Amino acid sequence: DAGVIQSPRHEVTEMGQEVTLRCKPISGHDYLFWYRQTMMRGLELLIYFNNNVPIDDSGMPEDRFSAKMPNASFSTLKIQPSEPRDSAVYFCASSRAGGSYNEQFFGPGTRLTVL
Amino acid sequence: LAKTTQPISMDSYEGQEVNITCSHNNIATNDYITWYQQFPSQGPRFIIQGYKTKVTNEVASLFIPADRKSSTLSLPRVSLSDTAVYYCLVGDAFSSGSARQLTFGSGTQLTVLP
Repeated sequence: DAGVIQSPRHEVTEMGQEVTLRCKPISGHDYLFWYRQTMMRGLELLIYFNNNVPIDDSGMPEDRFSAKMPNASFSTLKIQPSEPRDSAVYFCASSRAGGSYNEQFFGPGTRLTVL
Repeated sequence: LAKTTQPISMDSYEGQEVNITCSHNNIATNDYITWYQQFPSQGPRFIIQGYKTKVTNEVASLFIPADRKSSTLSLPRVSLSDTAVYYCLVGDAFSSGSARQLTFGSGTQLTVLP
């Protein structure tokens, strides 16, 4: 199994630009999670999906952030417009229904830098 | 949400056993205790999970006393490659609506010295 795949691995953009992060969960996993990690705030859960449906987006910082999961094998996290304070590492994780939701498999992350 | 408290950092030497303790005084009846490991520039990796007493796998052991208000992750004979941040999490592991409860704290930075 290839594990959770994220792209791009690194993204550098200028303030005001749109940023789209992509994630492919592990095949057969029903849950998908988006996290953000910074030195100041640690690892924060932004949103998670079950069977492609958003369940809890209370962690999304503001309306500039949006996430979609059009099918079981693909999800996007979009920031529009981006701001320097959005600079962080964004992780996608997935877990399988019927198993422990606490056993999440994380991708390698996307390091976002907004200038 | 059950809050966890763990040491910010620990140092150890190669070959030693390392025990990292996590406090979770307000753990709920349905909560499980889960530990993750994170290396620099990588996503966290699940290590072990337990509910009570002792759990052991090929990587670590998890000791949970009867009152479940704390837990100890034990890493036997650590090597330099075990240098990482270790997170203790508490939450309902089998209730999908409770995924929000899975909160990563600051973690414990373990440094293994030669």
